[in-house]
Amino acid sequence: GEDVEQSLFLSVREGDSSVINCTYTDSSSTYLYWYKQEPGAGLQLLTYIFSNMDMKQDQRLTVLLNKKDKHLSLRIADTQTGDSAIYFCATRSNAGKSTFGDGTTLTVKP
Amino acid sequence: EAGVAQSPRYKIIEKRQSVAFWCNPISGHATLYWYQQILGQGPKLLIQFQNNGVVDDSQLPKDRFSAERLKGVDSTLKIQPAKLEDSAVYLCASSARTGGPEAFFGQGTRLTVV
Repeated sequence: GEDVEQSLFLSVREGDSSVINCTYTDSSSTYLYWYKQEPGAGLQLLTYIFSNMDMKQDQRLTVLLNKKDKHLSLRIADTQTGDSAIYFCATRSNAGKSTFGDGTTLTVKP
Repeated sequence: EAGVAQSPRYKIIEKRQSVAFWCNPISGHATLYWYQQILGQGPKLLIQFQNNGVVDDSQLPKDRFSAERLKGVDSTLKIQPAKLEDSAVYLCASSARTGGPEAFFGQGTRLTVV
């Protein structure tokens, strides 16, 4: 089946930039997503990028897509303690089927 | 606009018992998903509905899990009988159309099987 891989942990200092990386196998993915999950909560859609784009910026968030290498990254500028959470990368096929990674736990130290 | 509603939030049952979860998607959303999220893992799709029809149930353990969306609105997911390995958070999500970019998730039901 399709696979999405992420590193498990990332620790940064408050005010620094965070970069969370993801690789995927499904070359037919039409959309690629970043979700945020805080303890005890559901998944919050942060941003998504269409597969024919290579970059999307939304306030402090920048998504980069390298379709050739099947690599997706999420950069959070000026990371705050409130950004501490688990971040999930996900792909979606034309049929609407989503595949999620196992999440990257971001810890922001004051 | 109300979000995706799920109930109950928490459930503890003994193995071999039955349990049911309920989901009410965002009004007007045709596509509804049930995911299973085991602790430390990402969500795994169990079943996807388009209106009241099943689009994908390839990862649903059909010997014990069932789901329905009879009127194309709310949905129930049932486990009968439950096993210890079914302990997980069950997430419901909805989107306006299949393949559309945005899916919205409920807060989930945390199931503990003892």
